[in-house]
Amino acid sequence: GENVEQHPSTLSVQEGDSAVIKCTYSDSASNYFPWYKQELGKGPQLIIDIRSNVGEKKDQRIAVTLNKTAKHFSLHITETQPEDSAVYFCAASISGYQLIWGAGTKLIIKP
Amino acid sequence: NAGVTQTPKFQVLKTGQSMTLQCAQDMNHEYMSWYRQDPGMGLRLIHYSVGAGITDQGEVPNGYNVSRSTTEDFPLRLLSAAPSQTSVYFCASRTQTSGGGEQFFGPGTRLTVL
Repeated sequence: GENVEQHPSTLSVQEGDSAVIKCTYSDSASNYFPWYKQELGKGPQLIIDIRSNVGEKKDQRIAVTLNKTAKHFSLHITETQPEDSAVYFCAASISGYQLIWGAGTKLIIKP
Repeated sequence: NAGVTQTPKFQVLKTGQSMTLQCAQDMNHEYMSWYRQDPGMGLRLIHYSVGAGITDQGEVPNGYNVSRSTTEDFPLRLLSAAPSQTSVYFCASRTQTSGGGEQFFGPGTRLTVL
């Protein structure tokens, strides 16, 4: 079955710097790749997603890139702000009905 | 809209007890799902439903039952609680679109089994 690995598990960056979180997946049939942000005590919230027919997608300070050949995708956050501190999860799906999630990355923004 | 609501927020059970975690959504979403979240493991899908009367198993279905009699409600039943079921449980919903889409999550239920 599908397996998703996420790195790093913790990432600490200076406010204003960029942050990059990477995920790899095992099943080449996966075609949908969302990123979710989870704040303490809350459920995850979608921040951006990408489908396999697209190589890159941007939304203001957030971007996701997908390399289907290498089976990896990355989240890029530029000009980080204190409110970006949270746990970020990547996921992959073949059918859209079952998401397989990475283990999460705790992002710490240092003032 | 209240979005996705879950009750209770916290629950403590003894081994062998049964209980039902409630989940409701008011967005008329066809797809609903239950996940469990354990430290260092991300979220794992327990069961999901693509509409009233239709349910299917996810990655970790053992020890859990679901039913979907209405579009709004998707309860999760623990048949005989075990300490391994100590976790945070999230319910989510989304519109029924092929190829994925944004899932809206409830606030979670923190369950401890002693």
